[in-house]
Amino acid sequence: SQQGEEDPQALSIQEGENATMNCSYKTSINNLQWYRQNSGRGLVHLILIRSNEREKHSGRLRVTLDTSKKSSSLLITASRAADTASYFCATGKPSGYSTLTFGKGTMLLVSP
Amino acid sequence: GAGVSQSPSNKVTEKGKDVELRCDPISGHTALYWYRQSLGQGLEFLIYFQGNSAPDKSGLPSDRFSAERTGGSVSTLTIQRTQQEDSAVYLCASSISGRAQETQYFGPGTRLLVL
Repeated sequence: SQQGEEDPQALSIQEGENATMNCSYKTSINNLQWYRQNSGRGLVHLILIRSNEREKHSGRLRVTLDTSKKSSSLLITASRAADTASYFCATGKPSGYSTLTFGKGTMLLVSP
Repeated sequence: GAGVSQSPSNKVTEKGKDVELRCDPISGHTALYWYRQSLGQGLEFLIYFQGNSAPDKSGLPSDRFSAERTGGSVSTLTIQRTQQEDSAVYLCASSISGRAQETQYFGPGTRLLVL
């Protein structure tokens, strides 16, 4: 079964507004990653947060992780039309070699 | 350097035909992953190659699906006797060594349509 589940499934905002997406997962993790996908093609890595971190920033992105609640959030500040894409969270197992487990994604639409 | 490349970009085939999808990972990456994404859905893991270890095939949906990785580099995903439900975007990714904390680098995908 899917490890990560994002909500909302879809989000529509105006340029300049902030966008917040949430991800919940079920089992212990080593890290949680966020990826962006434009137009149904390849995913691009945005940010990784480790299980011992609570918050991380990268440009206009802010990610939080609450391991007690098994949840993470991705905040995009001052959104732009170019941020329109689908956003996926992905989790990795606590140790060793493994693939990532991806959620179903949040589709973000930023209108000019 | 070059990223992950996949070919073909698009493939239209008839039901019952076999198809081969190719992935060229980033040079030096020992881990390679195949995923499938149906329209509007998340990524479904198919198979994972890590170094010289036996591949993790746990995500392959049926025995019509198989994959090879020759020489630790290029990989081919083969779908035999294609069905309409196989229509999807097939994404390949690679990472440095396959550890769970690594970033995966994705190719642009192959969009498969089975008529």
